[in-house]
Amino acid sequence: EAQVTQNPRYLITVTGKKLTVTCSQNMNHEYMSWYRQDPGLGLRQIYYSMNVEVTDKGDVPEGYKVSRKEKRNFPLILESPSPNQTSLYFCASSLFSGTSGRYEQYFGPGTRLTVT
Amino acid sequence: DAKTTQPTSMDCAEGRAANLPCNHSTISGNEYVYWYRQIHSQGPQYIIHGLKNNETNEMASLIITEDRKSSTLILPHATLRDTAVYYCIVSPSPGYSTLTFGKGTMLLVSP
Repeated sequence: EAQVTQNPRYLITVTGKKLTVTCSQNMNHEYMSWYRQDPGLGLRQIYYSMNVEVTDKGDVPEGYKVSRKEKRNFPLILESPSPNQTSLYFCASSLFSGTSGRYEQYFGPGTRLTVT
Repeated sequence: DAKTTQPTSMDCAEGRAANLPCNHSTISGNEYVYWYRQIHSQGPQYIIHGLKNNETNEMASLIITEDRKSSTLILPHATLRDTAVYYCIVSPSPGYSTLTFGKGTMLLVSP
């Protein structure tokens, strides 16, 4: 089954304790992305990656790091989490198709992070 | 500036067609119209996309006006499971994958 998986699904942590949220896709997609969703602010992109070893900042990258060492994995790293990073996080992947006209992003189930 | 304008909320009776409008008056020639939905805190789900022509798939139909300044997503026979927030997004042609989500329309389907 084609899917994007995220782990953990729920996480409560304390300020300053480094954490990693994993994201994996089994569709051989080139493009992967991280979003955060907050009430009243909608979905905002944090980082994205066009392919292995290629990453770039989205709209709200401060306080986050990413890496793309393998095509299927795109972990989100919070080196020193703060309470304002409490949010619902989504990973997404999509096929980088320039000509087919067929394009869709597949989203993971979400990770609810609470930083106290 | 918002690229799309959608009503905040809409109601629909189960079994009836749900017609969700979207205005995108500043859409440029290479931008597609995409629709996604999000069912209560789940990951957004792709529904349909189009450039100029009307499109239909197993989930919905997309009607784009001739001037491309607005579109309507049609769920032909809404069910309770269609209750969700629906996002209309304009995005450049395939190959540029960043999506900017607005606030969307909360569709409530009632028995």
